[in-house]
Amino acid sequence: QSALTQPASVSGSPGQSITISCTGTSSDVESYNLVSWYQQHPGNAPKLMIYDDTKRPSGISSRFSGSKSGNTASLTISGLQAEDEADYYCFSYADSSIWVFGGGTKLTV
Amino acid sequence: QVQLVQSGAEVKKSGASVKVSCKASGYMFSAYHVHWVRQAPGQGLEWMGWINSDSGATKYTQKFQGRVTVTRDTSITTVYMEVSSLRFDDTAVYYCVRISRGNFWFDAWGQGTLVTVSS
Repeated sequence: QSALTQPASVSGSPGQSITISCTGTSSDVESYNLVSWYQQHPGNAPKLMIYDDTKRPSGISSRFSGSKSGNTASLTISGLQAEDEADYYCFSYADSSIWVFGGGTKLTV
Repeated sequence: QVQLVQSGAEVKKSGASVKVSCKASGYMFSAYHVHWVRQAPGQGLEWMGWINSDSGATKYTQKFQGRVTVTRDTSITTVYMEVSSLRFDDTAVYYCVRISRGNFWFDAWGQGTLVTVSS
C-alpha cells in the first residue's frame, strides 16, 4: 500500500484561502468516504480536523473544510491565520483493514 | 478523561527488540481499537498496524509484517507494540492512537514514545 500523495508545501498570506490535495487510488480514497485530516504543530501529537471526507469535529473552526472528487481529497483553509501554520496529513481507510497516510504538507502562513 | 499513556523513551542497539506499552483509561476499552503510528525525525506519519481491542485480532501494513507484533491485556487495559530486529531507520516517535468501533478516524493520541536505535 503506497502513501497518499500530498504536495510537500503550500503557502498563503493571512486572510487568504489555501487548498491541500491528497491523491490516492481506487483502493482507498476513491472507494471510501473515509478520509480524515490531521494538523500537527512541531513537538505535538496530531489533531483531527476533518473526518469522513467532509465532516468537522466539534470545536474545529468552520474555516476548515474537506471535499473529495474521484481519487483526490482536499482540505481547504479559509481566512488563513498565523496559528494555522503547521503540517497537515491526510489519512484514508484502504482495502482489507489497512489504513494509509499521505506524505504530509507543510503550510506556511 | 480519556487517556492513552505510553511508556518512556528507549535506546536500543541495532538488531535488538523494543516493546512499547500504551495504557488506556477513561473509556470502555473494548469499544475502541488501538492503532500504532510512527514518525521518524523530521519525517511524516506512518501507519503501522492495529489491534481489535475486543477480539485481539491484528492487522499490519506489509512493510512491518513479521517484524511488528501488537498485543493487548484487557485486564489492565494496556496495548503493547513490539518491534524486533531493530534497524537505524526505526528511530522514531511511536504513537498509540484510538479509533472507535465503526469509525475510521483517530480521536485520541498517546503522548508518543521516542525509540532511538544506536550502534
